[in-house]
Amino acid sequence: GQNIDQPTEMTATEGAIVQINCTYQTSGFNGLFWYQQHAGEAPTFLSYNVLDGLEEKGRFSSFLSRSKGYSYLLLKELQMKDSASYLCAPSRGQNFVFGPGTRLSVLP
Amino acid sequence: SQTIHQWPATLVQPVGSPLSLECTVEGTSNPNLYWYRQAAGRGLQLLFYSVGIGQISSEVPQNLSASRPQDRQFILSSKKLLLSDSGFYLCAWRSGRNTEAFFGQGTRLTVV
Repeated sequence: GQNIDQPTEMTATEGAIVQINCTYQTSGFNGLFWYQQHAGEAPTFLSYNVLDGLEEKGRFSSFLSRSKGYSYLLLKELQMKDSASYLCAPSRGQNFVFGPGTRLSVLP
Repeated sequence: SQTIHQWPATLVQPVGSPLSLECTVEGTSNPNLYWYRQAAGRGLQLLFYSVGIGQISSEVPQNLSASRPQDRQFILSSKKLLLSDSGFYLCAWRSGRNTEAFFGQGTRLTVV
């Protein structure tokens, strides 16, 4: 089975840095996705971590620790358009299941 | 490049009516295909996934079924819709178990 936990809501200021954590307990784990979802829209792919460590893509970075069942998404230089839900999804075998998502509000 | 299409974008159906949502992928072969549902204000729930033609795995028991009649076509169906079937239905694809996954634009279904 799977048990995925993320904070429900977070608030940060434009230009700041925010870290969104995800913990999971997933049998047969083979990687972890992060997606961004704006209200009423489909999720947009951000990252997929297979190996331990930090992967950086512009303003967004994602970290994975397989032994700890832990990942985080780091957003730098926050912009108003970053206000959205951020979803972590551990991959197990051929499928992947989503956590509850973290709603991020970026304030001016 | 690969693209994924879902239609229709929105749908209003009466309780008890049938449902057919279609998802197709272009630019790849033998993709893994997925159907998710998102109820209002809730997270994404995995409904079905398929690793090949005619191969369907169901994640939760429900009023829905899925079929994969062709390599790049994934269909979500119901014989009789319930009010609780309302939601945002999303199709996704990936080329293998350790690859990125991408979503279609979704179908917003309202059962009345």
